[in-house]
Amino acid sequence: GAVVSQHPSWVICKSGTSVKIECRSLDFQATTMFWYRQFPKQSLMLMATSNEGSKATYEQGVEKDKFLINHASLTLSTLTVTSAHPEDSSFYICSARDNRKASYEQYFGPGTRLTVT
Amino acid sequence: AQSVTQLDSQVPVFEEAPVELRCNYSSSVSVYLFWYVQYPNQGLQLLLKYLSGSTLVESINGFEAEFNKSQTSFHLRKPSVHISDTAEYFCAVSGNTGGFKTIFGAGTRLFVKA
Repeated sequence: GAVVSQHPSWVICKSGTSVKIECRSLDFQATTMFWYRQFPKQSLMLMATSNEGSKATYEQGVEKDKFLINHASLTLSTLTVTSAHPEDSSFYICSARDNRKASYEQYFGPGTRLTVT
Repeated sequence: AQSVTQLDSQVPVFEEAPVELRCNYSSSVSVYLFWYVQYPNQGLQLLLKYLSGSTLVESINGFEAEFNKSQTSFHLRKPSVHISDTAEYFCAVSGNTGGFKTIFGAGTRLFVKA
């Protein structure tokens, strides 16, 4: 089946620093990748949608200068949280889809837990 | 715009009892519907999906969901639950708008008691 990995699985960083999270599709080409964040005991909130080779489309209320998304290849997307603050602590989940397939199904990564101290 | 409403935030149930997790959606276009399960500190796993065809879809571990277009619902059911079914369940909708992005419901915490 389609597998999506994320790295790191958890990260602790100090306030003011930046942290990069990688999302990889291991056995398929991800024409579109999505980034979500999930607060404890809450649902997933879509942050942005990125298509390979294009700029990401951010959801309303998401700061694009703070959450930098790069989707440079069909198997890799990165989310960089710049100048992180404690309120950025969350569970970040990516998903990937091959738009050329008719199922329109997204495959989710295992998530990255970010803690900003 | 699309939206998903999960009517119950928590559902406690005894082991071997039946359960129904309710999901209603709204959309102006044709939809694809999904149920995902999330175990503590883990990512999402697809439980089942409706894309087209038969309105009743089943998972390999005994869950089923029925797409009801007139009631705009996609309720999840299992005739007999196990302790291991304790998890968070998310209903989601995707459609031919906004690049097929998926919108999630708030989630339902299924707690199976012995």
